[in-house]
Amino acid sequence: KNEVEQSPQNLTAQEGEFITINCSYSVGISALHWLQQHPGGGIVSLFMLSSGKKKHGRLIATINIQEKHSSLHITASHPRDSAVYICAVGETSGSRLTFGEGTQLTVNP
Amino acid sequence: DAGITQSPRHKVTETGTPVTLRCHQTENHRYMYWYRQDPGHGLRLIHYSYGVKDTDKGEVSDGYSVSRSKTEDFLLTLESATSSQTSVYFCAISYSSGIYEQYFGPGTRLTVT
Repeated sequence: KNEVEQSPQNLTAQEGEFITINCSYSVGISALHWLQQHPGGGIVSLFMLSSGKKKHGRLIATINIQEKHSSLHITASHPRDSAVYICAVGETSGSRLTFGEGTQLTVNP
Repeated sequence: DAGITQSPRHKVTETGTPVTLRCHQTENHRYMYWYRQDPGHGLRLIHYSYGVKDTDKGEVSDGYSVSRSKTEDFLLTLESATSSQTSVYFCAISYSSGIYEQYFGPGTRLTVT
């Protein structure tokens, strides 16, 4: 079992829909990261959080430390949101990130 | 955007040849990482560095070596490339470990024939 599990692996939505991507982890963490990988391959950091909730534009990330679970929400989805979304955790015992396999999101017009 | 460049961006090489990939940063960040990305796997850590001449192995370090003689440069070497090392390689930097964001380079697509 991977230390970081994402669901779903693939997600197709219609423009305007509310989207949720989930991430569960099994280790103690110092922080959880959400990353976005564009179709061209570039990877950008969206959020880093260790508790509660963060919001940036139409993106919202939440984390429940007790349940070892995080969600990434996209409101009013748009075709330009189509990308791979990656969850990663920074373990308390080390100095490295462990990554989920990613969720491929496609938003159709 | 964080100042991270990787070179080359694309490379095709033959089995058994040595290959060196370069990561260069202008941010003066302490931590630098090399990852590989393959279908069906998440990003996997090859090696990382926590300072000049200070490096450590990641989960897929076999067949790779690294060097960091200057803060800004982190080199990844495949001493004798194999087809299983065909992958996309990403460099990342971080101010410190764990609770700091990692910033990624544009990636290098390596094909070993």
